[in-house]
Amino acid sequence: ETGVTQTPRHLVMGMTNKKSLKCEQHLGHNAMYWYKQSAKKPLELMFVYNFKEQTENNSVPSRFSPECPNSSHLFLHLHTLQPEDSALYLCASRGEGPYGYTFGSGTRLTVV
Amino acid sequence: DAKTTQPTSMDCAEGRAANLPCNHSTISGNEYVYWYRQIHSQGPQYIIHGLKNNETNEMASLIITEDRKSSTLILPHATLRDTAVYYCIVRFDNAGNMLTFGGGTRLMVKP
Repeated sequence: ETGVTQTPRHLVMGMTNKKSLKCEQHLGHNAMYWYKQSAKKPLELMFVYNFKEQTENNSVPSRFSPECPNSSHLFLHLHTLQPEDSALYLCASRGEGPYGYTFGSGTRLTVV
Repeated sequence: DAKTTQPTSMDCAEGRAANLPCNHSTISGNEYVYWYRQIHSQGPQYIIHGLKNNETNEMASLIITEDRKSSTLILPHATLRDTAVYYCIVRFDNAGNMLTFGGGTRLMVKP
């Protein structure tokens, strides 16, 4: 365990479904992130939250909707996804200073 | 916007030192070098970071050249569990957010 917990680990959903990914950290970090990692593509930043406020939306389609109710929890709400959205979705957190990111184990999403 | 260049893959014998190079010739003076690794289908794991001086922790050592244009991650006694993709990162936006990882080096530790 890294200190960042993601659930579920695996998710299969149809294109008309609505689902949510959850991320939780109790490291006292103030910044939380969603990243997407597709097969054979580099990691891509999706959303950034600092002190619960969204500070960056990296041109992500509106079918992905983030929510950060407090500094320990981060959600990614999914609706009407496409098969090309199938990927590993990673949550990360970071504290103050030039320290590294702590990643969760990811949610492997398959859209059918 | 500093970018990195790493070999696509490397092999290492179990018990030997693994030396993973990274070129970052456009790095600016205040940018840190970070190393992560990712074991198949898991989240990336932070290994080490440095600015100018060489660094060592319980996982690895980081050697940064004096001109800071390249660095080497050293795993002193590689084990089979060190088989992973290793990423060298210097690319952050103005707010300090890590944007992407790049291709990385696939290290295969062999018995």
